[in-house]
Amino acid sequence: AQSVTQLGSHVSVSEGALVLLRCNYSSSVPPYLFWYVQYPNQGLQLLLKYTSAATLVKGINGFEAEFKKSETSFHLTKPSAHMRDAAEYFCAVSDGETSGSRLTFGEGTQLTVNP
Amino acid sequence: NAGVMQNPRHLVRRRGQEARLRCSPMKGHSHVYWYRQLPEEGLKFMVYLQKENIIDESGMPKERFSAEFPKEGPSILRIQQVVRGDSAAYFCASSPSPGQGQGAGEQFFGPGTRLTVL
Repeated sequence: AQSVTQLGSHVSVSEGALVLLRCNYSSSVPPYLFWYVQYPNQGLQLLLKYTSAATLVKGINGFEAEFKKSETSFHLTKPSAHMRDAAEYFCAVSDGETSGSRLTFGEGTQLTVNP
Repeated sequence: NAGVMQNPRHLVRRRGQEARLRCSPMKGHSHVYWYRQLPEEGLKFMVYLQKENIIDESGMPKERFSAEFPKEGPSILRIQQVVRGDSAAYFCASSPSPGQGQGAGEQFFGPGTRLTVL
């Protein structure tokens, strides 16, 4: 069985500060890992994904994440927060590259960006 | 290139009524997934379907919930005799078949249907 733990249900940063959202996973097979962003009353948008290639993954809007197998982590970072980054962020894991692999989500982290 | 479409976006039902949620996958996608998001929680997998087949329904409640993805038309998530605990956002996602080259394992999400049970 797979699981995802997101540490911190709420994270607050100042505009221009570093954003760090934590994600740890558990998987019995090499995982595929994803970060999604959800703006209020909208669906999920993919930020980035890890699919067993480079361990440092760059995504949209200046976000990146690093896969660390030894720590079973896939933390999301952004060097400088913008007000528009305020949203809820979900880390997710699947067990394969083929379609048909359901996603297991963490509980989400609400990011607040203060002016 | 239209994304995943869901309708209605908002649905209000009284206890005991039926709710029907529709999902049209992205063009060329033959895999559909349904997820439920309860207030203040993450998304939970419900069911995975391909055309005319339910592949994995391990996340579906045992009673009152059913899903289909017919050969023609959208995928339907049906909730019979709704109760207040069914109030949630229901998201549909789609993905291409293996070998179609886009997005290993990636699922594309619709905007969701927000169900409110009075």
